[in-house]
Amino acid sequence: NAGVMQNPRHLVRRRGQEARLRCSPMKGHSHVYWYRQLPEEGLKFMVYLQKENIIDESGMPKERFSAEFPKEGPSILRIQQVVRGDSAAYFCASSPGSGSRIWETQYFGPGTRLLVL
Amino acid sequence: QKEVEQDPGPLSVPEGAIVSLNCTYSNSAFQYFMWYRQYSRKGPELLMYTYSSGNKEDGRFTAQVDKSSKYISLFIRDSQPSDSATYLCATSYNQGGKLIFGQGTELSVKP
Repeated sequence: NAGVMQNPRHLVRRRGQEARLRCSPMKGHSHVYWYRQLPEEGLKFMVYLQKENIIDESGMPKERFSAEFPKEGPSILRIQQVVRGDSAAYFCASSPGSGSRIWETQYFGPGTRLLVL
Repeated sequence: QKEVEQDPGPLSVPEGAIVSLNCTYSNSAFQYFMWYRQYSRKGPELLMYTYSSGNKEDGRFTAQVDKSSKYISLFIRDSQPSDSATYLCATSYNQGGKLIFGQGTELSVKP
């Protein structure tokens, strides 16, 4: 059973370009989370999505950042007009989303390391 | 004030030592408490989670939560060089939804 997959693993962009980060959750998982890890900092929550629905985007910057999880295909985190401060590791996690009341483990992908020149 | 505080270390111990990793948190509404391990250039992997106060043991690892003092601990017995990694504590309000992480403690176990 493949784990959470993220691509690309490394992404280099120049200031002002767009970055698209993709996340394929574990098989059977319907919930996706995005986190950002800045150098010397812990993981910071960005957004929580179900299929075709944003559940919690309280951690998303108000501008330039957007996320989607379509009915078919991977979840996409999109950063428009990147700036140097966007350089970070972006991690995706998934959970079953079974609707049960038990605690659900979030399984993390290997991350995408974005470097903005 | 950060919601979850964790000493970033680094922490260096000899092989076989008992390691104690700790976090404090500020919001008494947190109910779920986790420890993740992250090897260099990898994604975090869940080590243990607990609900509310108490202890939980899994092999060489013991997690403790003291809600009265808002204190989370992870103990590693008979530490091994393969335990060298960054350890992240995390909390959550409920069984789903976002995790709030501490900064992570970098641990090095020397042979």
